[in-house]
Amino acid sequence: QKEVEQNSGPLSVPEGAIASLNCTYSDRVSQSFFWYRQYSGKSPELIMSIYSNGDKEDGRFTAQLNKASQYVSLLIRDSQPSDSATYLCAGVNFGNEKLTFGTGTRLTIIP
Amino acid sequence: ETGVTQTPRHLVMGMTNKKSLKCEQHLGHNAMYWYKQSAKKPLELMFVYSLEERVENNSVPSRFSPECPNSSHLFLHLHTLQPEDSALYLCASSPSQGVRNSPLHFGNGTRLTVT
Repeated sequence: QKEVEQNSGPLSVPEGAIASLNCTYSDRVSQSFFWYRQYSGKSPELIMSIYSNGDKEDGRFTAQLNKASQYVSLLIRDSQPSDSATYLCAGVNFGNEKLTFGTGTRLTIIP
Repeated sequence: ETGVTQTPRHLVMGMTNKKSLKCEQHLGHNAMYWYKQSAKKPLELMFVYSLEERVENNSVPSRFSPECPNSSHLFLHLHTLQPEDSALYLCASSPSQGVRNSPLHFGNGTRLTVT
C-alpha cells in the first residue's frame, strides 16, 4: 500500500456545489496531515492542516480526519472557478519525520 | 522580496551540460529541501538541509549535487543528466527540520527539460 493515496481525478464539480477530495494513508504515516493547493505552473501552497480526529473549518474549507478508517478529506463549500487546481494530500512519515505526498487530485470547477 | 524564490524558471539542457538551480528563502527558516515533481507521481524528496548541514539524501543519483552555503541559499548542481530527469524541481523551506508542526513553503519551481 502506498503511504498516501489519492484519486488523481479529474474531479469536475459545478460552481457553487461542494467539492469533496479524499485521501487514505498507511500505517507508516503519522496523524499530522496537510492539504496543499497547486495551480498549473505554480508551487504548492498550504491551505489546511489537521492533527486531531474530527473536523477543522477555515472559511469555505473543511478538513476531516478519521483515524479509525485512515482517511483525510477536504471539503470546499460554494466552489468557485478559482478553486480549480490540483490538491495534494500529505502526511508525516513515522520513520524519517518527512512529508509524504499523494499524487494529487485535479479539481475543475465548472461555471 | 519575500517567500521562496527559484531561478531559473525554465531550463533546457543537453545530457552533457552542467547547470545549477538556485533557491533563496527570505523567511528566516532553518531547513531547506529539494523536491522533484514528475507527471502523475507524488512529490519526491531529494535532499534536506538543516542549519546548512545535509541531513538527508534520499537515494538520489550522484549526477545531482546539492550545496547549501548558508541558511538562506540552496543550490542543485546538475551534470550528465538523463531525459528521465526532466521534471519540475521544487525548493522548499520550513522553520525547522521536523515538519509535523512546521509545514513547507515552496518556491515556484524550475521546469527542467533534458534533451
